[in-house]
Amino acid sequence: DAGVIQSPRHEVTEMGQEVTLRCKPISGHDYLFWYRQTMMRGLELLIYFNNNVPIDDSGMPEDRFSAKMPNASFSTLKIQPSEPRDSAVYFCASSNYGTSAPTDTQYFGPGTRLTVL
Amino acid sequence: AQTVTQSQPEMSVQEAETVTLSCTYDTSESDYYLFWYKQPPSRQMILVIRQEAYKQQNATENRFSVNFQKAAKSFSLKISDSQLGDAAMYFCAYSRPQGAQKLVFGQGTRLTINP
Repeated sequence: DAGVIQSPRHEVTEMGQEVTLRCKPISGHDYLFWYRQTMMRGLELLIYFNNNVPIDDSGMPEDRFSAKMPNASFSTLKIQPSEPRDSAVYFCASSNYGTSAPTDTQYFGPGTRLTVL
Repeated sequence: AQTVTQSQPEMSVQEAETVTLSCTYDTSESDYYLFWYKQPPSRQMILVIRQEAYKQQNATENRFSVNFQKAAKSFSLKISDSQLGDAAMYFCAYSRPQGAQKLVFGQGTRLTINP
């Protein structure tokens, strides 16, 4: 299995621009998570999906952030408009809750380092 | 709300020696999972080991083992025979099982291996 795939790996943009981060979860996983890592706040959950449905978006910082999961193999996290304080590493992770072990373990993608100038 | 605390921002160990990283957590749940993740300079988050709270036996994965003390809400990671490739940030994390799986992370411990 290729693992969780994220693109792009690096993104540099200017304040006010729209940014779209992409994620392909591990095939067969029914949970998908978006995390953000910053020096100040550490790793924090932004939103997670179960079977393509958003379950908890309480970590999304504000309306400028949105996430979608149109199908089981693809998710996007969009920031519009972007601000310098959005600069961080954004991770996507996926997991499987079911009868096959190990379950409930999240596997992370390589992350996208976002820099907003 | 659940919280995870790693009280050691940095640790160092000589190559081939043993080191223990500390983690405490706070929860009112009786069933949960605990994890240690490693983040090397490549920033990839790599699962090191996991422990189910209902299991009394401590988890082990090769050179990595945990000391899980449920009553004390403590979950330390022991790395034996430390290798240069073990140098990384280590994060302790908590999650509830059965669908409410969001991970709550500690602040991390930076581990340096001295040759």
